[in-house]
Amino acid sequence: GQSLEQPSEVTAVEGAIVQINCTYQTSGFYGLSWYQQHDGGAPTFLSYNALDGLEETGRFSSFLSRSDSYGYLLLQELQMKDSASYFCAVNRNNNAGNMLTFGGGTRLMVKP
Amino acid sequence: GAVVSQHPSWVICKSGTSVKIECRSLDFQATTMFWYRQFPKQSLMLMATSNEGSKATYEQGVEKDKFLINHASLTLSTLTVTSAHPEDSSFYICSARGLGARDPPGDTQYFGPGTRLTVL
Repeated sequence: GQSLEQPSEVTAVEGAIVQINCTYQTSGFYGLSWYQQHDGGAPTFLSYNALDGLEETGRFSSFLSRSDSYGYLLLQELQMKDSASYFCAVNRNNNAGNMLTFGGGTRLMVKP
Repeated sequence: GAVVSQHPSWVICKSGTSVKIECRSLDFQATTMFWYRQFPKQSLMLMATSNEGSKATYEQGVEKDKFLINHASLTLSTLTVTSAHPEDSSFYICSARGLGARDPPGDTQYFGPGTRLTVL
């Protein structure tokens, strides 16, 4: 089966740096994605890693180690608006084609 | 670009009725659409994968006769919850992937805004 593990909650203050870890076990893996979801809203794409290493997009960076089945999302210069849930998701192949399997999500609370 | 819409955004219905949710890709052709269900403070659970013009592939544990999916065109997929019951109350989200979308790397999906279904 598929499994993804990420912390359920993280709290940090404005301006700080937060790292959200994700470990996974899956078949057909070809990449790791990160999504942000505000309460009641749709998930929005943040970042994607297919190869080992760090991908940087503004204040957000994402890292992948395929050999360790591990990745993380790094959020820098935290702002109040970053309070949301963050999901890692494995991009994988199965009989139906390419698909995403989501982790349980990490609820980030940014405090003043 | 790469906008996905859903209609309705919320619906309240009586137990036993059927509810249809539409998912549209507005500025690209969605060769594949996905339907997810999300309970409060939980993750997105994939219900089914729908390729245009073919039958949907349902995930294990999802009743295909209860959750009817139609993907008759490259811009529209529908999910019908038949004979809805209170336990079907949830947030239903579609996503789309396809031709002409400004896909980020990795064949990633664009999500609709979701439909909140409440069954009384």
